[in-house]
Amino acid sequence: NAGVTQTPKFRILKIGQSMTLQCTQDMNHNYMYWYRQDPGMGLKLIYYSVGAGITDKGEVPNGYNVSRSTTEDFPLRLELAAPSQTSVYFCASSETGSYGYTFGSGTRLTVV
Amino acid sequence: QKEVEQDPGPLSVPEGAIVSLNCTYSNSAFQYFMWYRQYSRKGPELLMYTYSSGNKEDGRFTAQVDKSSKYISLFIRDSQPSDSATYLCATSGAGSYQLTFGKGTKLSVIP
Repeated sequence: NAGVTQTPKFRILKIGQSMTLQCTQDMNHNYMYWYRQDPGMGLKLIYYSVGAGITDKGEVPNGYNVSRSTTEDFPLRLELAAPSQTSVYFCASSETGSYGYTFGSGTRLTVV
Repeated sequence: QKEVEQDPGPLSVPEGAIVSLNCTYSNSAFQYFMWYRQYSRKGPELLMYTYSSGNKEDGRFTAQVDKSSKYISLFIRDSQPSDSATYLCATSGAGSYQLTFGKGTKLSVIP
């Protein structure tokens, strides 16, 4: 009964470093999402995918990249980390796309 | 105007009180309306969802949607300290791939 699993839970990056945030789901959902959550700013969509091999930009995609080679996995890549990318990142999946998202427990990223 | 507006609070109530949380939205195409609960340092979890207008009840929780006024409400009866969390409203349209979230209201229920 894992649902959506995100790793790592915490990470500190130096400016200019790169990293990949991992997300995997075991519910066979076609739709997957990456959000970032900043204090007082709510959830902002970074990228989403409607199925393996299909991805699209959300509201705040700059500085990030994604890939979706399998139904289960949807990694988020940060290239050249910047302090503005300090945030909590949530991965989510959904059967329908319109409602009923299941979220992971988040990755807290600090860029120094 | 933001698509979904939600008062961030914080809202503090005594245990046992009735809590009313509200959102307004601007896009008349929205048809799905959700409430998520997010405990500190956790991911949001789906609490309730409704389709179109009307009420939906689940235990102590009631979700209400008034499409004519573009108003979404969540009522919590007999509030408990375990209800202390941030509550996020969310909406989407039919066939949409994306949810639009409010910024969340932080609720504290004081024993």
